[in-house]
Amino acid sequence: QVQLVESGGGLVKPGGSLKLSCAASGFTLNDYYMTWIRQAPGKGLEWVSYISSSGSAERYGDSVRGRFSISRDNAKKSVFLQMNSLRAEDTAVYYCARANWGSGWYYIDSWGQGTLVTVSS
Amino acid sequence: QLALTQSPSASASLGASVKLTCTLSTGHGSYAIAWHQQQPEKGPRYLMKVNSDGSHSKGDGIPDRFSGSSSGADRYLIISSLQSEDDADYYCQTWGTGTHWVFGGGTKLTVL
Repeated sequence: QVQLVESGGGLVKPGGSLKLSCAASGFTLNDYYMTWIRQAPGKGLEWVSYISSSGSAERYGDSVRGRFSISRDNAKKSVFLQMNSLRAEDTAVYYCARANWGSGWYYIDSWGQGTLVTVSS
Repeated sequence: QLALTQSPSASASLGASVKLTCTLSTGHGSYAIAWHQQQPEKGPRYLMKVNSDGSHSKGDGIPDRFSGSSSGADRYLIISSLQSEDDADYYCQTWGTGTHWVFGGGTKLTVL
């Protein structure tokens, strides 16, 4: 079955960097767009970034553009999120999620269990 | 601007039915949405996608108690025969070119 396993979260100081990884199994990674979505403590879901199936296209939410970078290695069945210049407001659980194409739109059809990123001095 | 609106909370009794609503912003009433469930202290789980004509398709292993429907700009998640494990947050999600993935604010469902 589809499995997404995030890793790399932890405690980091403001201004620091962290790289998250997402290991995918149970499906052919290079057939799918992949996304990162985050959830601040006690808050709702916020889309962070996506990368196209080949890696040729990527987009970012307004709150992280210019600081975060998404990448993928289809051969290693992994997706990554490099987070730089971290701020306290980036504190959240970060979820790796698979995007499926549904006749004109993309929807999330699989989620990882999440990895917690805490930005604090 | 593409946006989704959900009521912050809902409640219903064990064994009863409940209908949760997700409303699309003006001008986006033809969009499809997806519903996701998040049980306490867990990651979200995909439930189903609901089209503007009310047709829906569920994810693997989602019980028959869960169904979806539509009316105008409203998309619904209907849960029948409520069980204790349905006590969770429910999020709707859609997608648009430019805005990309958009989530509603979530509805916290309490099973009494």
